[in-house]
Amino acid sequence: QLQLQESGPRLVKPWETLSLTCTVSGGSISSTSYYWGWIRQPPGEGLEWIGSIYYSGSASYTPSLESRVTMSIDTSKRQFSLKVNSVTAADTAVYYCARQDYYYGSGSFDYWGQGVLVTVSS
Amino acid sequence: EIVLTQSPGTLSLSPGERATLSCRTSQSVTTTYLGWYQQKPGQAPRLLIYGASTRATGIPDRFSGSGSGTDFTLTISRLEPEDFAVYYCQQYGTSPYSFGQGTKLQIK
Repeated sequence: QLQLQESGPRLVKPWETLSLTCTVSGGSISSTSYYWGWIRQPPGEGLEWIGSIYYSGSASYTPSLESRVTMSIDTSKRQFSLKVNSVTAADTAVYYCARQDYYYGSGSFDYWGQGVLVTVSS
Repeated sequence: EIVLTQSPGTLSLSPGERATLSCRTSQSVTTTYLGWYQQKPGQAPRLLIYGASTRATGIPDRFSGSGSGTDFTLTISRLEPEDFAVYYCQQYGTSPYSFGQGTKLQIK
């Protein structure tokens, strides 16, 4: 059974960089059928797709965050990562990593991590 | 960006009743690229439906999806106590892959 687990600091100071890693177990991160994505959810609000990355390192981001976001992938470690720089309180959210399935689901997010609450505060 | 508008915002029903949730998109979305997710408090979203009408693995057949173009529907035929949650639609055909704002299904 595929599992994803987010890790990283839960508290980040304003104007610093938020860094999270997602570790994938129980399946291959190098499959040509999947992308790997990050989605966030501010407390009490809805879901926002941040971006997705392919095993090759090719990534796409939502335009509203593109100038501050970088995603990377390390297939040898079965990990992919998210960095958001110059964070403000508006970046406080639960951050989820997820698998984007292009084999059956045409890009739907079929496996999710449990999520990690990252708070931006001094 | 494609905007998804879900209605109603909150739906109050009793177990055993039928639930109908709507998702309208600001531009036509190919059915292949429309999905529905269920989220319970403190949990990650769970994929219910992809391709507008295909149930994900392990999803009970009381959940069904339909629609095309700009109008999509999630139907729960007979509500079970565990179905009370927030439901999101999402389009993943055109970047940025946007979600609706959610419909909260609560017990009446």
